[in-house]
Amino acid sequence: DAGVIQSPRHEVTEMGQEVTLRCKPISGHNSLFWYRQTMMRGLELLIYFNNNVPIDDSGMPEDRFSAKMPNASFSTLKIQPSEPRDSAVYFCASSLTGTGEQYFGPGTRLTVT
Amino acid sequence: EDQVTQSPEALRLQEGESSSLNCSYTVSGLRGLFWYRQDPGKGPEFLFTLYSAGEEKEKERLKATLTKKESFLHITAPKPEDSATYLCAFRRSGNTPLVFGKGTRLSVIA
Repeated sequence: DAGVIQSPRHEVTEMGQEVTLRCKPISGHNSLFWYRQTMMRGLELLIYFNNNVPIDDSGMPEDRFSAKMPNASFSTLKIQPSEPRDSAVYFCASSLTGTGEQYFGPGTRLTVT
Repeated sequence: EDQVTQSPEALRLQEGESSSLNCSYTVSGLRGLFWYRQDPGKGPEFLFTLYSAGEEKEKERLKATLTKKESFLHITAPKPEDSATYLCAFRRSGNTPLVFGKGTRLSVIA
């Protein structure tokens, strides 16, 4: 298996622009997680899905952030409009519900200028 | 409030100098304590899961242990390639996601 796939790996954009991050989970995994990592706050959970259904989005910082999972093999995290404080590394992870063990993608490094 | 604290924040060791990383937790209904390794520019990589006090797991130079309040990651005779950030995380009862600590940055100097 190729593992969790994320794209793009790097994104540089200007404040106010829309940013879309993409994730393909490991085949057969039915839970998907979006995290944000910064030096100050560490790894923070933004939202997670079970069987394509959003379960908890309490970590989403504000309405500028939205996430979708239209099918079992694809998810997006969108930021509109982006702000400099959104600059961070965004990780997607997947797991088999019930195991707890999550497998992470390589991350997307987002820079908003 | 459930929480996890890792110490030290950073640790510098000479090659071969054994040491331990600490993960203290306060969780009601713990359903697993997890250790991950993260290399610069990469996502966290799963190492171990511990479920009950007294449990131990080993992988190469790493051994993870669990008590009712803490978990330790023991590194025996480390090598430079063990340099990374080590993250611990817990899972509460039910089908809930992991909550991560901020990690310990380990540097092993040849």
